[in-house]
This record gives sequence, structure tokens and C-alpha cells, in this order.
Amino acid sequence: EPEVTQTPSHQVTQMGQEVILRCVPISNHLYFYWYRQILGQKVEFLVSFYNNEISEKSEIFDDQFSVERPDGSNFTLKIRSTKLEDSAMYFCASSADRGRENSPLHFGNGTRLTVT
Amino acid sequence: DAKTTQPPSMDCAEGRAANLPCNHSTISGNEYVYWYRQIHSQGPQYIIHGLKNNETNEMASLIITEDRKSSTLILPHATLRDTAVYYCIVRVAARYAGNNRKLIWGLGTSLAVNP
Repeated sequence: EPEVTQTPSHQVTQMGQEVILRCVPISNHLYFYWYRQILGQKVEFLVSFYNNEISEKSEIFDDQFSVERPDGSNFTLKIRSTKLEDSAMYFCASSADRGRENSPLHFGNGTRLTVT
Repeated sequence: DAKTTQPPSMDCAEGRAANLPCNHSTISGNEYVYWYRQIHSQGPQYIIHGLKNNETNEMASLIITEDRKSSTLILPHATLRDTAVYYCIVRVAARYAGNNRKLIWGLGTSLAVNP
């Protein structure tokens, strides 16, 4: 069964450094998402991406964050200057959502980002 | 904020049915009910979704009340591997969603399946 894959599984970085989290969504999916989950807290929506542009973003997704689909398979989340509070699990998801189809989101197993 | 309320925790004996309730009293006619689970720090796993009819797949059954204000996820024969946090989420149907395709998460129900 096709799945969403994320790399790396763990990333440790120093405060102020840039990080890029990588995701390969399911190949025929059209919508892509990033979520994060701070330890012990809810899963929080960051951004959705469709047709090569951001379709929706939360207030968490400020100017420090950016997303990109650099080729036909990868979907990346960049954090320009990491802060301690960016430490969290970051989940990528994708959904087919063609037209009126109600497709579920499928999630990867996440990247654990630790900012020191 | 999440539009659903769930009990924070439940227990179930291995081999028995696990019935997880969810209240969504403010659900709109164009909103589906989705269920996901998250096994300790893994990515959320899709289970099932429905609009108003009961649904069944290889993982679970979803029972939605006639007024659609609540639903129950049923795991017919729970195993130890079903120990997880289960999330009930309301999501706008695609034909009405526009760019609003996201899921809004609550705290879910932590299900412990005991031997």
C-alpha cells in the first residue's frame, strides 16, 4: 500500500539554524500538508499546498516557515531560523481530493525536530 | 477549535469490542466524521469516515446517530496493538471545502487494551 515517507526521522539543530524537512507524498495525491505536534499536545495544522501554491496556512506558519515542491515527488518544509519552541514532531500528509471526492489524509511517521 | 468531544481515556479487554464515543452536536449537514488513531508518537493513521450512513471497513465500524450529533467507532475484536489515542474529527465535504481541506485535532481518547 502506498505511503507517505518522511526524512530524516530525527533532526537535532542549534537555535538560529535553518532546517529542511523532507516528505514524499503518495504519488497520485494532489493536496499536501504539514502538521506539527509538540510533546504532549494536540496535532496542529501548519499549511496546505495545492497546485504548486499554499492553499491555506495557520497563524503558526509565519515568515520563518516556507514550503516547496521542488520536483514531482518531494514536498519540503523549511524553517529559516529555528527557535527552541520549534521543537516538535512534524508530520507530512497528503490526500487525493479530486473534485468532490472526500479523500482522507494519509500521514507519514514524522520527523522529530529538536532545537538546542 | 475542534468541534468534537471525546472521553479522555477508556479501557478494553483484549478480544472484546471497543466502543469509542464522540459527540459532535454542532456538526453541519456538509461535514463528514473522520476517525484517526495515533500509536505512540507515530503518524496519525486513518481509520474510517462517514456522512450519515453507518460504515464498515477492515479496521472498524462507524455508527452515526440519525441526528448526526454523535457517533461511535467500534473495533470489533480489540488487540493489544489497538492501544492508541483515537481522534474523532469533523471535516467539511470536499464539494463545499474550497481551500479548507485541513483536519482540526482535539485531544482524543486514549484507549488501553488490556490482556
